[in-house]
Amino acid sequence: NAGVTQTPKFRILKIGQSMTLQCTQDMNHNYMYWYRQDPGMGLKLIYYSVGAGITDKGEVPNGYNVSRSTTEDFPLRLELAAPSQTSVYFCASSYSTGGVSNIQYFGAGTRLSVL
Amino acid sequence: AQKITQTQPGMFVQEKEAVTLDCTYDTSDQSYGLFWYKQPSSGEMIFLIYQGSYDEQNATEGRYSLNFQKARKSANLVISASQLGDSAMYFCAMSANAGGTSYGKLTFGQGTILTVHP
Repeated sequence: NAGVTQTPKFRILKIGQSMTLQCTQDMNHNYMYWYRQDPGMGLKLIYYSVGAGITDKGEVPNGYNVSRSTTEDFPLRLELAAPSQTSVYFCASSYSTGGVSNIQYFGAGTRLSVL
Repeated sequence: AQKITQTQPGMFVQEKEAVTLDCTYDTSDQSYGLFWYKQPSSGEMIFLIYQGSYDEQNATEGRYSLNFQKARKSANLVISASQLGDSAMYFCAMSANAGGTSYGKLTFGQGTILTVHP
């Protein structure tokens, strides 16, 4: 009963380093999302994907890249990490036919610090 | 663009009492969905309840109900018979068909921290 699995749970990066946050879901959901949550704030959408090979930018995409080669996996790549990317990152997935009612299920999050 | 406003940074409630968490939204779309999520101190995001803009009845899920007032653009969460385990951050969120397909993208409010006192 895994749902949405994110790895790692915690990571400390130095400025300028790169890393990939992993996200996998086993619910055969077609839509997947990456959000970031800054301290005391709500979540903001970074990127999303509506199916394998299809991705698009959200509200705050700068400094990030994504790919989706399979239905299950949606990794988020940070290039040249900056202190402003210190945040908690959440991956989510949902099954949608294009409406507004699809419920998103979230992973446990990755807490990232850039020092 | 959509906007969600939660004006209560923190709320306190006595165990077994009911509490209302406020949420107002702004969108020009006719078709939209409103969601509430719970974030305990452990950090995960837990889906609580959903209300569609065309739903005539207020949504209910166990002790959670959503007080949907379309004309006022409000979607308040009501928790009945509060329990200590209800202490958490609560987020209101919206998905709207911005002139086409929404792709389910959620816009979140800033959240309300609820503390339940014994």
